Amino acid sequence: KNQVEQSPQSLIILEGKNCTLQCNYTVSPFSNLRWYKQDTGRGPVSLTIMTFSENTKSNGRYTATLDADTKQSSLHITASQLSDSASYICVVSAREYGNKLVFGAGTILRVKS
Amino acid sequence: DGGITQSPKYLFRKEGQNVTLSCEQNLNHDAMYWYRQDPGQGLRLIYYSQIVNDFQKGDIAEGYSVSREKKESFPLTVTSAQKNPTAFYLCASSIGVGNEQYFGPGTRLTVT
Repeated sequence: KNQVEQSPQSLIILEGKNCTLQCNYTVSPFSNLRWYKQDTGRGPVSLTIMTFSENTKSNGRYTATLDADTKQSSLHITASQLSDSASYICVVSAREYGNKLVFGAGTILRVKS
Repeated sequence: DGGITQSPKYLFRKEGQNVTLSCEQNLNHDAMYWYRQDPGQGLRLIYYSQIVNDFQKGDIAEGYSVSREKKESFPLTVTSAQKNPTAFYLCASSIGVGNEQYFGPGTRLTVT
């Protein structure tokens, strides 16, 4: 069964600190892996997208890494800001099923001042 | 949210009533999707459409219906047959199936 598991479920950090969110997946083969940011009550917005041959991709203070051998990805947030408070969702595109998207449940991040 | 709009933002209905959620896009995308989001779970695909006048069931289509009469519009009807309709509903679109999806702002439906 294609699955995407994220950890931790939720996280609270102080403003200015760094944090790393984890994503483990069993989807294979996959076309790409994406990280989305979803503010409360809003639709998800894409942060990064990586193909299976890419190891890292950055978008400002967000850096995503991918290890296709161990089927793990991480999203590192540097110098967190209050506006980073959101749910971060890992999404894997299943090549075998016409690139159907398989969504993780998300990690809820709260940045405190 | 790009060029995708969903209305209304909040919707309240009594049990047993059908309700239609609106989704419009001006991105000239061929593919459109409906997802359901519940607390602690990943988004689940309800229906998707690759092109006008065509749509396919997703993983949880029971109790839902859609139409795709215009490229810009992909309304979702939640019928009384849907056992647990209270949820956050997200519409998305992409150039084609498999391409990056862009999401609308969502509609929160509460059925009592």
